[in-house]
Parts: sequence; structure tokens; C-alpha cells
Amino acid sequence: TQLLEQSPQFLSIQEGENLTVYCNSSSVFSSLQWYRQEPGEGPVLLVTVVTGGEVKKLKRLTFQFGDARKDSSLHITAAQPGDTGLYLCAGVGTSGTYKYIFGTGTRLKVLA
Amino acid sequence: EAQVTQNPRYLITVTGKKLTVTCSQNMNHEYMSWYRQDPGLGLRQIYYSMNVEVTDKGDVPEGYKVSRKEKRNFPLILESPSPNQTSLYFCASSLRQGYYGYTFGSGTRLTVV
Repeated sequence: TQLLEQSPQFLSIQEGENLTVYCNSSSVFSSLQWYRQEPGEGPVLLVTVVTGGEVKKLKRLTFQFGDARKDSSLHITAAQPGDTGLYLCAGVGTSGTYKYIFGTGTRLKVLA
Repeated sequence: EAQVTQNPRYLITVTGKKLTVTCSQNMNHEYMSWYRQDPGLGLRQIYYSMNVEVTDKGDVPEGYKVSRKEKRNFPLILESPSPNQTSLYFCASSLRQGYYGYTFGSGTRLTVV
């Protein structure tokens, strides 16, 4: 069974701090996505990474796909209260049922 | 605007009363899926459809039905709702089974009493 483990599970930081969220698996993924979800709303796609080692930037958010395509990270620089939410990684594995799998989630709270 | 539209947004119903949650997408996506989200359990897939007239069970299909008669619509049917189906439901669509990621609807919060 392919799993995506995210860490940390919860994170509470002050405005202006930097943070990194990790998404790890023992399996290879053909692509990985990161989503942000606010309470009661649907997840919103932030980015897709496809190539091993790929780095993408979205304003203060930097996403990286591991060289072996088994892990990914999301780094936020100078976090703001508007970054508060549930961050989910997700992807399609390259073996087994090729199912779309969601990570366990990281709940971020940025305090003003 | 490219979007997935779910209705209703909120629904309170009684046990056993059949209901349908509608889902429509305007992006010509072939792949559509229904998820439920519960505290501590994350997003769990109920049913998915890879194209018109092609549907298959996800991880938690019991008590649900779906149909895909048109490419844009993928309704979720609860024939006889029970309290354990109280949850937050999301419809999602994708160009290619999630390879490029999903577009999610805004959600339907269902309460079965």
C-alpha cells in the first residue's frame, strides 16, 4: 500500500517565521501535488511537480520534489496569517493500482 | 471560470430519506470523483468515474451510488442515509486521474439525524 506521510502534523508559528512541511513515501510517484484547504472549503491546488529534483516557487512558497520522486517539501518564507490552513500533498503512484493518494495533512496556524 | 459546482452546500436530512448531491464541472474533464472528509480520517474516496458510463468503487462505497450519464455531471446518491454518513463531501475532477491534480468543489456538509 502506498502512503504519503506528512510532518509535522500540526504547526503553530508567529507571523514572519519560516517553516517547512515534509511529504514522504517509500514509493515512487509519477507526480505530486500540494493543496491548501481552509475550514469547510474544498482543497485548492497550489502546484504540481513532476520531475525529480524539480523546484517551483509560488510567491513565498517553495516546493521541491525529491530526486527519487519519493518525497516532497513545502517551504514558506515569512509566513502570514493568510497562510493558515490544512496543507495536503497528493499524488499518483507508479505501482499497484495507480491510485491517487492524499497525504495525512499538516495543519498550519500563523499567529499575527 | 473553470470550476466544479456542488449543490447543496448544506443539507440536514432524516435517516432513510433518499437524497442526491449534484456535481457539475465545466472543464471537459474525463475523470471525476467523490470524497468524504471526516476529522482524523482525512479524505476518503467514495466512487470515481474515468469517463461517461464508467464508474468504480473507491475506498468507502457502501451506502452510496453514482452515475455518469454526461461528461460534466456526476451526482452522488444516498438511497437510505444513516447517521454515519454525516460528513463533509467533495466532488473533484481531473484531466487525467490526478496526474495534474484535482479541481475540487466547495463541499457539501451533510447531517443525517
